[in-house]
Amino acid sequence: GEDVEQSLFLSVREGDSSVINCTYTDSSSTYLYWYKQEPGAGLQLLTYIFSNMDMKQDQRLTVLLNKKDKHLSLRIADTQTGDSAIYFCAENSNSGYALNFGKGTSLLVTP
Amino acid sequence: AAGVIQSPRHLIKEKRETATLKCYPIPRHDTVYWYQQGPGQDPQFLISFYEKMQSDKGSIPDRFSAQQFSDYHSELNMSSLELGDSALYFCASSLGRPNEKLFFGSGTQLSVL
Repeated sequence: GEDVEQSLFLSVREGDSSVINCTYTDSSSTYLYWYKQEPGAGLQLLTYIFSNMDMKQDQRLTVLLNKKDKHLSLRIADTQTGDSAIYFCAENSNSGYALNFGKGTSLLVTP
Repeated sequence: AAGVIQSPRHLIKEKRETATLKCYPIPRHDTVYWYQQGPGQDPQFLISFYEKMQSDKGSIPDRFSAQQFSDYHSELNMSSLELGDSALYFCASSLGRPNEKLFFGSGTQLSVL
């Protein structure tokens, strides 16, 4: 989606932390999401954050939200080769019913 | 746990043909969404239904139509297919609207030759 921007590629070594960034423009978004897509597969909901929260942690995943700057990040601790995939940031559309996706960040984890 | 089921998994059609994609939401989910993802692209929202009524409309071409049936499954009908319609078509479902959790199916890969 044109209103959600992400860097296209990220390469990290196994065991390091990965940080994927996203900026969005719709300040009325209620929820912001991170989806994971492996090659030839569907979209897997990884985590999401309510817009009145600053941070959410879920096992190896940490989501940070800076609502003032409309910036969302996903940190993956102890990144594994199985984490290699495309990660999409998404926000609620203006109607609140559908999601508006970023272009996706392709994460490559090398041994 | 049951997930969103889409059929067929793969579909090959020729230009100007028609295609019907089916989506079976997670049990008790009343809202379905259709997305189109072109090669190397992000998913684009097409259309959604809540309780069998169209609830939101995105970039769905006039050649496409969709509906949600009484058992909450949905079908996306595509006519006069064009080469540019080749894409991965995802269905997602949720309980109620708006809902923070959309669950996606594995998609139908449509190839138009």
